[in-house]
Amino acid sequence: EVQLVQSGGGLVQPGGSLRLSCGGSGFTFSSFEMNWVRQAPGKGLEWVSYISSTGSIIYYADSVKGRFTTSRDNAKNSLFLQMNSLRAEDTAVYYCAREARMFGGVIGLDNWGQGTLVTVSS
Amino acid sequence: EIVMTQSPATLSVSPGERATLSCRASQSVGSNLAWYQQKPGQAPRLLIYGASTRATGIPARFSGSGSGTEFTLTISSLQSKDFAVYHCQQYNNWLLTFGGGTKVEIK
Repeated sequence: EVQLVQSGGGLVQPGGSLRLSCGGSGFTFSSFEMNWVRQAPGKGLEWVSYISSTGSIIYYADSVKGRFTTSRDNAKNSLFLQMNSLRAEDTAVYYCAREARMFGGVIGLDNWGQGTLVTVSS
Repeated sequence: EIVMTQSPATLSVSPGERATLSCRASQSVGSNLAWYQQKPGQAPRLLIYGASTRATGIPARFSGSGSGTEFTLTISSLQSKDFAVYHCQQYNNWLLTFGGGTKVEIK
């Protein structure tokens, strides 16, 4: 069974830092591209970041560029999101999500972590 | 950035009735469109990809259609377990974007 298990998150003051982790099991983690998606309370989904299967290509949403860093450790089947200079508007549930492919093309995000709440407040 | 707009924001439907949800893209995304279902306190679940292909394990009462900029998700006969928020998402390029969601509630 494919599983993505997240850890990290919590309450942090504005300007602070936090690191989220996402561990994959039940599949060959190193073969899949991964994404971070967040959801502010009562709001829709917002894509945050993408990382290729090898970690060589990384993209960020403009809203987090320069403050967040995505990385992965394929030897440990793990994905990370380092969040610095946090702002109140970063308050959200953060999800890691596996990017699915079929016949070489992307078909969406087929497996998601359980989500972890990040609250930025003084 | 491709902007995705969903309508209506809330849809009130009686169990057993049909629900039709709309999603519009600000520019063509071809068939690179997915639909997700999200229940309170849970992560989204992939329902439809390629605009019209059901993901593994998704029942046949869920169907998707459309291409280019106009897309529709239809739930043919709503069951109690289907009351949830539905999100559309384009994956035409690496900058994934989601619609604002449609909440399907019990009438």
